Amino acid sequence: DAGVIQSPRHEVTEMGQEVTLRCKPISGHDYLFWYRQTMMRGLELLIYFNNNVPIDDSGMPEDRFSAKMPNASFSTLKIQPSEPRDSAVYFCASTPGTSFDEQFFGPGTRLTVL
Amino acid sequence: KNQVEQSPQSLIILEGKNCTLQCNYTVSPFSNLRWYKQDTGRGPVSLTIMTFSENTKSNGRYTATLDADTKQSSLHITASQLSDSASYICVVNHNNAGNMLTFGGGTRLMVKP
Repeated sequence: DAGVIQSPRHEVTEMGQEVTLRCKPISGHDYLFWYRQTMMRGLELLIYFNNNVPIDDSGMPEDRFSAKMPNASFSTLKIQPSEPRDSAVYFCASTPGTSFDEQFFGPGTRLTVL
Repeated sequence: KNQVEQSPQSLIILEGKNCTLQCNYTVSPFSNLRWYKQDTGRGPVSLTIMTFSENTKSNGRYTATLDADTKQSSLHITASQLSDSASYICVVNHNNAGNMLTFGGGTRLMVKP
C-alpha cells in the first residue's frame, strides 16, 4: 500500500480564496483524521470520521472550515475564505479502528495564505 | 483538563551520545501512550506504544518507559545517530471506545556530528 496520500503537498494562496485539501486513506482503514500543525500550537485534531461519518468536529476552528468524506477512499478539507492565520501544515491520518491502533499519517500539505 | 507536557522543548546532542526525553500527562482515563517520531517535512511515525501494564518497551535503540502512578513516560535514545534528528511527540489515548487523543508539544532533537 502507498500509505496515506495527500494533495497538494504545497499550496500558496491569497487571503479570501477557497482552499481544498485532499486525502486518500489507507485502504481498509475505518477512521480518518484531519490535523493542523503549527509551531505555536503543535498538532491539533480538527475532525475525524468513522466509516465516512463525521464523529467529532469540535476541533474545527470556525465555520470557514468544512470537511467531507464522500466515500471510504477520499476526504477533503475546505477553507473558505482563507485567512493568513490558517497558514500551517495540514495532516491527514488513518487507522484501522481500535484504540490500540497506530495512526498512519500522510506527508502533509503546507498551506501558506498571503 | 487533559494535558500532555513534554520536556525539554529542544535538545542538541553529539552523535553517539545518549539522551532521554520526558512526557508528563494528566489525561484521565488512560488507555495507552504512544511516542511518534516526526522527521522534518514528513508526518509523524509511531515508534512504540505503552499500555497501562507495561513499564518498559524497546524498539532498537529507542526505549520507552511508563510510570502510570506518577503519569510519566520517557523515551531514551541510545548511541544517537544523525538520523535521529527529528521531533518526538508523546500522544496519550484516553478513550477505549474510540480515538480520543491528547498530543504533547514535542521535543525537537538535533544530533550533531
